[in-house]
Amino acid sequence: QKEVEQNSGPLSVPEGAIASLNCTYSDRGSQSFFWYRQYSGKSPELIMSIYSNGDKEDGRFTAQLNKASQYVSLLIRDSQPSDSATYLCAVNARNYGQNFVFGPGTRLSVLP
Amino acid sequence: SQTIHQWPATLVQPVGSPLSLECTVEGTSNPNLYWYRQAAGRGLQLLFYSVGIGQISSEVPQNLSASRPQDRQFILSSKKLLLSDSGFYLCAWSPGVRGDQPQHFGDGTRLSIL
Repeated sequence: QKEVEQNSGPLSVPEGAIASLNCTYSDRGSQSFFWYRQYSGKSPELIMSIYSNGDKEDGRFTAQLNKASQYVSLLIRDSQPSDSATYLCAVNARNYGQNFVFGPGTRLSVLP
Repeated sequence: SQTIHQWPATLVQPVGSPLSLECTVEGTSNPNLYWYRQAAGRGLQLLFYSVGIGQISSEVPQNLSASRPQDRQFILSSKKLLLSDSGFYLCAWSPGVRGDQPQHFGDGTRLSIL
């Protein structure tokens, strides 16, 4: 059974700090990895995709992937109160749409 | 660019009543389509996915059904709603050709069963 695990949180960080969100997955054959942000009462929106080992940066966001350890993380630099949301990790095992698995999400709270 | 439309945004229905939620995608052809349900404070539960017209796969056996009558239209239905059907229903799409692409979500329908 394909599983994606995340700490549920809440993770609280002060404004301006780095928020670090972690995700582990069980299917070693997983190929594609995604981070979504979901504000309360809204639908998830895609913020990062990563396919290769290493880091990928986009503005204040950095995704990190380590396939050997089956671990993907999201770093948010200079955290703002507007970053307060639930962050969902998603993994596409073997690149078939039906194998897209979401983690339960980590709730992030950025304190002013 | 591609857009996904989902309606209605909110719905209040009595127990035992029927349900029909509709989702359409614009700007792409032959997308993969998905229905998810999210209970309050919980994660996403995949209900159905479709890789083409008339092709529906069910992930969770229940009193819900899905249909795809046209390439970019996906419908979620029930003949008799249960209290446990309350939740936030999300439609999503991904490119059908490339399996490594992310899913993109509609705005969702918040369903309350009374």
